Amino acid sequence: NAGVTQTPKFQVLKTGQSMTLQCAQDMNHNSMYWYRQDPGMGLRLIYYSASEGTTDKGEVPNGYNVSRLNKREFSLRLESAAPSQTSVYFCASSGDGLAGGYNEQFFGPGTRLTVL
Amino acid sequence: SQQGEEDPQALSIQEGENATMNCSYKTSINNLQWYRQNSGRGLVHLILIRSNEREKHSGRLRVTLDTSKKSSSLLITASRAADTASYFCATSPGGGNKLTFGTGTQLKVEL
Repeated sequence: NAGVTQTPKFQVLKTGQSMTLQCAQDMNHNSMYWYRQDPGMGLRLIYYSASEGTTDKGEVPNGYNVSRLNKREFSLRLESAAPSQTSVYFCASSGDGLAGGYNEQFFGPGTRLTVL
Repeated sequence: SQQGEEDPQALSIQEGENATMNCSYKTSINNLQWYRQNSGRGLVHLILIRSNEREKHSGRLRVTLDTSKKSSSLLITASRAADTASYFCATSPGGGNKLTFGTGTQLKVEL
């Protein structure tokens, strides 16, 4: 059971370049999330997907697009990278809560992105 | 905007001592969760406390929740060097599975 996996682990881009961050989970979770973490800011939600085929904006969606390819995979795309997008990106997943409760989120190891 | 704010921002203690971290939040919640993040790693879920619970224990962890004060505390007893990490509280102010994380407390446990 690999849990949540992310690729790549590190990436350096030049301003204006594009790239896609990949995320996959093997826990049969319906919900998946993309966060960014900046020093002193905690985690901020970029996009999330409550189920296959659905996506919704989080707190900081500008400059990003996502695709929920299937139940396992949720990708994050930067169409035209900017230095402000230098950050550590985390993918997470969670199952459905029981009786209206909420399940814990499981996180991947992160992708460290630098935009020059 | 951050729903939760941890206090203190940084905490340094000796091994064997207890560590207490606090979290304050702004809106009504159904539950509050605590996560740990070791340096360079993803977050790991520690414990969840529901709004109708006041205290919860898990091993050396003790979490309290005071919904009237919109605050929670995480107590780690008999700290170990391996407890060195950042600790975050998280809430779901809008309902559903989305979480809003605080800015975290950096705990350093020295030998």
